Amino acid sequence: QKEVEQNSGPLSVPEGAIASLNCTYSDRGSQSFFWYRQYSGKSPELIMFIYSNGDKEDGRFTAQLNKASQYVSLLIRDSQPSDSATYLCAVNTGFQKLVFGTGTRLLVSP
Amino acid sequence: ETGVTQTPRHLVMGMTNKKSLKCEQHLGHNAMYWYKQSAKKPLELMFVYSLEERVENNSVPSRFSPECPNSSHLFLHLHTLQPEDSALYLCASSQDVGSNQPQHFGDGTRLSIL
Repeated sequence: QKEVEQNSGPLSVPEGAIASLNCTYSDRGSQSFFWYRQYSGKSPELIMFIYSNGDKEDGRFTAQLNKASQYVSLLIRDSQPSDSATYLCAVNTGFQKLVFGTGTRLLVSP
Repeated sequence: ETGVTQTPRHLVMGMTNKKSLKCEQHLGHNAMYWYKQSAKKPLELMFVYSLEERVENNSVPSRFSPECPNSSHLFLHLHTLQPEDSALYLCASSQDVGSNQPQHFGDGTRLSIL
């Protein structure tokens, strides 16, 4: 079983819609969770991080964490074509050991 | 502009060459990392340094040799690499190695082994 699982996509949404990106993880002891955005040929860019159960909002982005279900998600409201990228979920399993998923490719069509 | 700078951006080398990748962070962080990103695979953690001391070596072959002369600079020395080592090599830094610290990435070095 992979430690961090994401649907590779692509996830296609029209401009202005809500994009929902999902991630599950296997280590119940995981404490912190991160979402990175990676444009083709570029480095991962930190979008959001969340430590506690519930929702955390930052602008158009909302991260949701459910530790009981071992599930973390990222919602992007009012999606824009510039949001088209690969979104990486990363889970800290202890002492800065950051485990990444393979990423979900998001396509936002005008 | 990224606070983590990597050079070179692209590198092509033969299997018998020796080369080094360089990373410099301007964020005042105490921890630095090397990752490997191959196509269709998740980022793989290679090495972790905290205050210039190596604290993690993730079963990386000895043909990869890291060096951290100070908390702002990190090198990855390469020798006798294999074609399967072709990948994007990413450097990252964080404030400390505490579990809640986000990591910030450089733009990476695209390495091709002939």
